[in-house]
Amino acid sequence: EVQLVESGGGLVQPGGSLRLSCKASGFTFSSHGIHWVRQAPGKGLEWVSYIASSTTTIYYADSVKGRFTISRDNAKNSLFLQMNSLRDEDTAVYYCATSLGWFQFDSWGQGTLVTVSS
Amino acid sequence: QSALTQPPSASGSPGQSVTISCTGTSSDVGGYNHVSWYQQHPGKAPKLMIYDVSKRPSGVPDRFSGSKSGNTASLTVSGLQAEDEADYYCASCAGINNVLFGGGTKVTVL
Repeated sequence: EVQLVESGGGLVQPGGSLRLSCKASGFTFSSHGIHWVRQAPGKGLEWVSYIASSTTTIYYADSVKGRFTISRDNAKNSLFLQMNSLRDEDTAVYYCATSLGWFQFDSWGQGTLVTVSS
Repeated sequence: QSALTQPPSASGSPGQSVTISCTGTSSDVGGYNHVSWYQQHPGKAPKLMIYDVSKRPSGVPDRFSGSKSGNTASLTVSGLQAEDEADYYCASCAGINNVLFGGGTKVTVL
C-alpha cells in the first residue's frame, strides 16, 4: 500500500524558515516524480513544486520561486521542501503527492500544517 | 493565469446524478487531455477520482465519469450516495511546468 507521511510543519514568524519532509513507503520511490500541493485554510488547492524521479527536472509555482527549494533522497525514500522568507500567505496544509504524469496527482499524504504568523 | 472555473455548489438526491463543470481556456483544459478530478472530504486529503479526462483509477466506482468538450471538462456522479458528499476539484495541465486547479465544488446529497 502506498503511504506518504508529511512532517515538519508548525508555527513560524514571517521571514522565517521551515523544512518539510515526506516519507514514502509501499512503492518504488526512486521511480516516481513527486509534487508538493498546498491548501490554505478554507481555500482550494494550489500546486507548489515538482521534482522528477532522478532530480533532473524541478519546477516551482511563481508564488514560491526563489524562496522554496524542493529536494529528495532516494536512498531514504524521502522528499523535502525547504521554505525560506515565509509570508502570511504561505499559511496552508502542505501535501506531498505522487505524480501520474502531466501534473496529475495520484496518491496523497495526510498533510502537514504550516502557520506563518507573528 | 486564473484558476479554472467551477460552480461553488451542486446537489442531488440519493440515486440521482450530478454533473460538475470545469471551464478553462485553450491554454489549459482545451489544449491538453490531462484533466483530473479530486474528491476531498472535510479534514481529509484529496483523492484522485478521474485522470486524463475520463480514466478511473483502480478502486474508484464506475459511478464517477469524466468528459471534455472544448474548454470545459465535466465530472458526473451517477447514482448519488451519501458518501459522495464532499468537495470536488478539477485540475488541468497548463504547459510543461504548470497546472491550474478549479476553485472547488461542494456536492450535497439531499
